[in-house]
Amino acid sequence: EAQVTQNPRYLITVTGKKLTVTCSQNMNHEYMSWYRQDPGLGLRQIYYSMNVEVTDKGDVPEGYKVSRKEKRNFPLILESPSPNQTSLYFCASSLSQGPGTEAFFGQGTRLTVV
Amino acid sequence: AQKITQTQPGMFVQEKEAVTLDCTYDTSDQSYGLFWYKQPSSGEMIFLIYQGSYDEQNATEGRYSLNFQKARKSANLVISASQLGDSAMYFCAMREAGYSSASKIIFGSGTRLSIRP
Repeated sequence: EAQVTQNPRYLITVTGKKLTVTCSQNMNHEYMSWYRQDPGLGLRQIYYSMNVEVTDKGDVPEGYKVSRKEKRNFPLILESPSPNQTSLYFCASSLSQGPGTEAFFGQGTRLTVV
Repeated sequence: AQKITQTQPGMFVQEKEAVTLDCTYDTSDQSYGLFWYKQPSSGEMIFLIYQGSYDEQNATEGRYSLNFQKARKSANLVISASQLGDSAMYFCAMREAGYSSASKIIFGSGTRLSIRP
């Protein structure tokens, strides 16, 4: 089954404790991205990757890191989480970046930083 | 700069009625795609419907149709004969062609639809 898998689904952590949210897709998609969803703001892009070893900042990259060592995986790293990073996070992948290309989303990761 | 506007934070509709969720967009590109996603309370994002900027016909997918008015830059989602399972958050989104930089999908702030039995 074609899917994007994120882990964990839920995470409560303390300020400053490094964490990684994993994302994996099995569709051989080139384009992957991370979004955060906050009430009243919709989804905002954090980072994206156009292919292996090619990553770039989205609209809200501060406090996050990513890597793309393999085509299928695109982990999101919070080196020193802060309470303002409490949010719902989505990983998404698409075959390309054309305007008609649908994005497939992971199940979401609800992160709480206390 | 590209932007998506959804002006209805929340809507209540009686079951079996049709409902229109509003979406306007702003872009200077000629080539772009418009999407609607549904997010139920469980949190996942479900793709509903797509409309390309060059498509002359409005997109339809079952009970969903997209009322595309290019000159007005609007892409409203119409749900016919609403069902209780349609209660969810709905996001309008747009993707440009991305000639000079990577093309991202941008989202509106969403509309929470509640269906009354």
